[in-house]
Amino acid sequence: GAVVSQHPSWVICKSGTSVKIECRSLDFQATTMFWYRQFPKQSLMLMATSNEGSKATYEQGVEKDKFLINHASLTLSTLTVTSAHPEDSSFYICTLGGDRGYTFGSGTRLTVV
Amino acid sequence: DAKTTQPTSMDCAEGRAANLPCNHSTISGNEYVYWYRQIHSQGPQYIIHGLKNNETNEMASLIITEDRKSSTLILPHATLRDTAVYYCIVRANFGNEKLTFGTGTRLTIIP
Repeated sequence: GAVVSQHPSWVICKSGTSVKIECRSLDFQATTMFWYRQFPKQSLMLMATSNEGSKATYEQGVEKDKFLINHASLTLSTLTVTSAHPEDSSFYICTLGGDRGYTFGSGTRLTVV
Repeated sequence: DAKTTQPTSMDCAEGRAANLPCNHSTISGNEYVYWYRQIHSQGPQYIIHGLKNNETNEMASLIITEDRKSSTLILPHATLRDTAVYYCIVRANFGNEKLTFGTGTRLTIIP
């Protein structure tokens, strides 16, 4: 299956700053990647679908201007949390499709203080 | 919305078989049943998937009922490292259809 590298694993930032999370496909050309968010003791919630070379598709209730997604190449998608606030603290996970089901990144734990 | 229903939690003794049920009564003919698990603070890990026939791999077995309205994931000899949240998901196996997660089953392996 595909190998996905997500970076950073964890990040602490001050309220009002922006944080960029990278998701790289190491051995698979991913035209589509998905970004999920997971709050403590809850399930994964899809935030957006990242399409290479075009605008991302956001799920209902997810602010596209706050969660900026860029998928400029077949191996890299980035999620930028802009003007982060404590309520954005969460576990962010990317994934891309493959022939054996979707491969997930290891996740990024964001803490906004 | 997730199209599957799973028990919230289950316990299993170490070394015994863990049987995790999943109901997916509204599954469509072109939808597969996928199982993933998530160990604390990690990304989900693919386990197995199937359409209508039973499947087995190095991690687990998947038993799908004949009417495809339910399935069971079997971990044959559970170890402490199998403690995780297990998600049953249905999706069509083409294109880049998104995965919709339900609440999953929190499996605890007891020493």
